[in-house]
Amino acid sequence: QKEVEQDPGPLSVPEGAIVSLNCTYSNSAFQYFMWYRQYSRKGPELLMYTYSSGNKEDGRFTAQVDKSSKYISLFIRDSQPSDSATYLCAFSNSGGYQKVTFGTGTKLQVIP
Amino acid sequence: SAVISQKPSRDICQRGTSLTIQCQVDSQVTMMFWYRQQPGQSLTLIATANQGSEATYESGFVIDKFPISRPNLTFSTLTVSNMSPEDSSIYLCSVEDTTSHEQFFGPGTRLTVL
Repeated sequence: QKEVEQDPGPLSVPEGAIVSLNCTYSNSAFQYFMWYRQYSRKGPELLMYTYSSGNKEDGRFTAQVDKSSKYISLFIRDSQPSDSATYLCAFSNSGGYQKVTFGTGTKLQVIP
Repeated sequence: SAVISQKPSRDICQRGTSLTIQCQVDSQVTMMFWYRQQPGQSLTLIATANQGSEATYESGFVIDKFPISRPNLTFSTLTVSNMSPEDSSIYLCSVEDTTSHEQFFGPGTRLTVL
């Protein structure tokens, strides 16, 4: 079983749609949960960062963590063409050395 | 958040040669990381570079192939040695915010080996 599973997509949605991106993980030691956005030919950009179960909201983005199910989600409301990118989930253990384990990324296209 | 720059942004190299990638951060950081991102794959950690000590390499990566320097708290280099086409990838450096533990990434170096 892979440590992190993420559907690679591509996912194509019309502008204004609600997007749901998901990852599952198997490592119970993961305590920090992140979502990165990566535009073509750019480095990953941190979008959301949380270390607990539940929801965290930032503008149009909501990150959801369910530790009991080892499942995390990113919701994008009122999606825009500028949201078209690859979204990577990422995980790390607690402690001073934060080795980050990434998913393979889901490619999202928002069609105007 | 830290601002990270990398040089070169891209390069095309011949088999058997070496390329050194530079990573510059706009603030002092303790830990810097080097990742590889191959097409269609997730980011893979190559090594962790602390200033003043030898880099720590992940399984599958060795110092002879990927020597790293970390001369001060704002700069690091990664060399890809004796390159083969399998080394074609995007190489990214990142830094960790020691308070929040968030990681921030540079724009990456796109390497193509012919």
